[in-house]
Amino acid sequence: QVQLQESGPGLVKPSETLSLTCTVSGGSIRNNTYYWGWLRQSPGKGLEWIGSIYYSGSTYYNPSLKSRVTMSVDRSKNQFSLKLTSVTAVDTAVYFCATTSGYYLAPFDYWGQGTLVTVSS
Amino acid sequence: DIVMTQSPDSLTVSLGERATINCKSSQSILYISNNKNYVAWYQQKPGQPPRLIISWASTRESGVPDRFSGSGSGTDFTLTISSLQADDAGVYYCQQYYTTPSPTFGQGTKVEI
Repeated sequence: QVQLQESGPGLVKPSETLSLTCTVSGGSIRNNTYYWGWLRQSPGKGLEWIGSIYYSGSTYYNPSLKSRVTMSVDRSKNQFSLKLTSVTAVDTAVYFCATTSGYYLAPFDYWGQGTLVTVSS
Repeated sequence: DIVMTQSPDSLTVSLGERATINCKSSQSILYISNNKNYVAWYQQKPGQPPRLIISWASTRESGVPDRFSGSGSGTDFTLTISSLQADDAGVYYCQQYYTTPSPTFGQGTKVEI
C-alpha cells in the first residue's frame, strides 16, 4: 500500500516561496497507475486542489494558482515536490500530498498526514 | 469550475440513528457514455487527512462498513449512514472529478453524536 509523507518548512515569510516534498513509500513513483497530487485545507477555503503530476513530468494545475505553482518529480528519491511562489497569509493552510489512480481527475485514494504551513513575518 | 454545495453544514444524530448528507453540483457530473457519476465522498477526523469512503457515487471502498451508502445521479447526491456509530463522528466532504480543469470539493458537513 502506498504511503505518503510531506516535509518542509512550517513557517514561510510573505512574498517568499513555499517548498514542500512528498516522499513515497510502499510503491514506486514510476508506477504508471498513479498521479501524484497536492491539496491544501484552510478554514477559509476548505479543501482545495493545487495540482497533480504524472511520473513522466506531465503537470495539471489549478488555474487559480497556476501562475505561482511548480511541481516536479524526483524518480531517484521516490519523491515529488511543490513550489508556491509569492506567498501571502491566505496561503496559510495544511498541505496534503495524495494520489489518484488512472488520471488526475479521480478520487484521492491515498493521503499523507498533512503539514501545516504558516505564512507570517 | 463545478461548485459542490453540501447540506446541512452540520447535524447531530443519536447513536443508532440515520444520518443523511446531501451534495448538489452546479452542473451534471453524470457521464452519459459510461453511465457513471463522477463523485466521491470522504470522511475526515480531527488531525487526520480525509479518507476516501465512496467513489463513483455509490461504490464503497475496501474496508468501509456497509452502514455507509451513497446514492444519487446527475446533480444531486446523498451520503447515508444507516445506523450511526460513535466512530462515525467527523466531517464529510463530497468531491467531483468529472471535468477539467479542477476537481472540486463541497464545503463539508460536520456530523456530531
